[in-house]
Amino acid sequence: NAGVTQTPKFRVLKTGQSMTLLCAQDMNHEYMYWYRQDPGMGLRLIHYSVGEGTTAKGEVPDGYNVSRLKKQNFLLGLESAAPSQTSVYFCASQSSYNEQFFGPGTRLTVL
Amino acid sequence: GQQVMQIPQYQHVQEGEDFTTYCNSSTTLSNIQWYKQRPGGHPVFLIQLVKSGEVKKQKRLTFQFGEAKKNSSLHITATQTTDVGTYFCGTGTASKLTFGTGTRLQVTL
Repeated sequence: NAGVTQTPKFRVLKTGQSMTLLCAQDMNHEYMYWYRQDPGMGLRLIHYSVGEGTTAKGEVPDGYNVSRLKKQNFLLGLESAAPSQTSVYFCASQSSYNEQFFGPGTRLTVL
Repeated sequence: GQQVMQIPQYQHVQEGEDFTTYCNSSTTLSNIQWYKQRPGGHPVFLIQLVKSGEVKKQKRLTFQFGEAKKNSSLHITATQTTDVGTYFCGTGTASKLTFGTGTRLQVTL
């Protein structure tokens, strides 16, 4: 099992550009999450999904959109990137035991 | 939602010394989870505690959940360089998991 995978691993964008971060899990988990991690801020929840076709806002959703068209995939979109969105993005899925499995992360820099 | 504060933010110990990080809340917590993140890596689940006064051990790591379910601690006995990383606590439901800001542990020889 690959667990949770994320693509890309690194990306540099210019202000105003758009991009999509891809997350895939092969553990058949219903719950999936997108977090951002900034120095001194811990992990902050952007959006989450409780199942295929459903999404909900987390703590810091502004400037991001998500989609969960297939159970195993959770996509995070930035329509118009801003320097404040420079961060490390983690995707996670959750088991029935409430254990969260994190992907390796995407380091995004917005210039 | 439930919020947790972690202390200390940073601790530097010599190999062989003990280390403790604390997770505190002003409200009663439904559960507490602990994660470890190595430098440059991603968070990895260590354990979940749900019962008042619960104590669990994993080799040199001891996890406690307070009697009032408002605090938790992670204690590492005789630290090793492999313990380096940031330790996060988290709490909440499947749709509302909140993390503390973490304690960064540095271990030197």
